[in-house]
Order: sequence, then C-alpha cells, then structure tokens
Amino acid sequence: DTEVTQTPKHLVMGMTNKKSLKCEQHMGHRAMYWYKQKAKKPPELMFVYSYEKLSINESVPSRFSPECPNSSLLNLHLHALQPEDSALYLCASSHSRGTGELFFGEGSRLTVL
Amino acid sequence: DQQVKQNSPSLSVQEGRISILNCDYTNSMFDYFLWYKKYPAEGPTFLISISSIKDKNEDGRFTVFLNKSAKHLSLHIVPSQPGDSAVYFCAASPWETSGSRLTFGEGTQLTVNP
Repeated sequence: DTEVTQTPKHLVMGMTNKKSLKCEQHMGHRAMYWYKQKAKKPPELMFVYSYEKLSINESVPSRFSPECPNSSLLNLHLHALQPEDSALYLCASSHSRGTGELFFGEGSRLTVL
Repeated sequence: DQQVKQNSPSLSVQEGRISILNCDYTNSMFDYFLWYKKYPAEGPTFLISISSIKDKNEDGRFTVFLNKSAKHLSLHIVPSQPGDSAVYFCAASPWETSGSRLTFGEGTQLTVNP
C-alpha cells in the first residue's frame, strides 16, 4: 500500500463553520505533512509531524489546527476560516529522515464562502 | 522571497526529443533537490532526487544535474513521451532530523507533442 488517502475530496464551508480534513497512510511512515496550494502556485508547507509530535509550524494562523492521533492518521481542523483560505490542501508522508521524498495524497479542495 | 525559481512556466517538445527543465535556488542551506511531477486532480508524485554531494543522478529516462556553484539544477527527460506531459516542480530541502522542509518552485508545464 503506497497510498496517502485524503477525505473529503471537496469541501464547501461558511466562515462560521467547523470542519476537519482527514489523511491516512499505511506505509509505516513516521513523518506527516500538511501543504496548502493555491491555483497556479507551488505547494506551501504548513505543518510537519514527526513521530506524532508537531515538529514544524510555518507560522500558520490558529484557525488551522492540526492533530496527529496516531502514526497513520493526520487531521486538520478548520474553524472561522476566511475566503482567502480557499485552496487545495495536500497531505503527505515520508520516512522520518529528511531527504525530501514525500508521498502526497490527491488533496482536499476547500472552498470558503 | 522565492528561494526556488523555475523561470519557464511552460515548455513544449516533440515526442522522442529531449526535454530540459531548469531550476535555480538561492538558499545555500539546501541539501537535497528533488523533482516532482503533477497531473491534474492528483497530488505531486516524487520523480527523482539528488543530494548536494553529487552532481548527477540518473534513473531510466530521467537525469538530474546539479551545479552547486551556480545554484542551478536541471532535469533531462530523454526520450520525451506524451505521457510525460504534466507540471514539473523543482523542490529543495535542508537536512532535517524530523521529516523534510520542502520548498517548491512555481512549476513548469511540460507538453510533449506526438
């Protein structure tokens, strides 16, 4: 199993809603990531979890709250988002060593109204 | 502050010819350089990488060249095939003990014409 699975594929939410994005991998990887990608822009790193602990937070606003319940799961909790937060949110995983070889999911397309 | 730059937003080549995609970086702390391929409606897929101690890495039709003094890398695809048509992202990362901190370039749309 070399897949990273993300749900939902599409999400539309209002600015007052609370929703969550989910990510799952069964490759035994111990590092998991959230990236944000706006249209025609490169993916931008948001968070890195290593061995279920948050190791990197790239100054992401607190309306985005990551959670890593176990080594296979990664969540991104969303609350009070703004329309400019609309983007493709990509989850990825890798071995814990930092060589950059990430396995990405297909992404969750988020629209904030 | 764009630390990884791909100055060509698009490239078009004929099937069977060589495709050369270029990338420049500014951060001398980067230790690993990678190329990712992305098809529409899919996440990026790792293609090939090179560490800063090497100047060339080859994998089948794909070769990555690194010129550290010029802070420049390139991806050569020979021969190019229509299925190679995708967006190619250059990426770089410093060595990290806890996962990777990838910085991506803006991408180059490669179109291989039959």
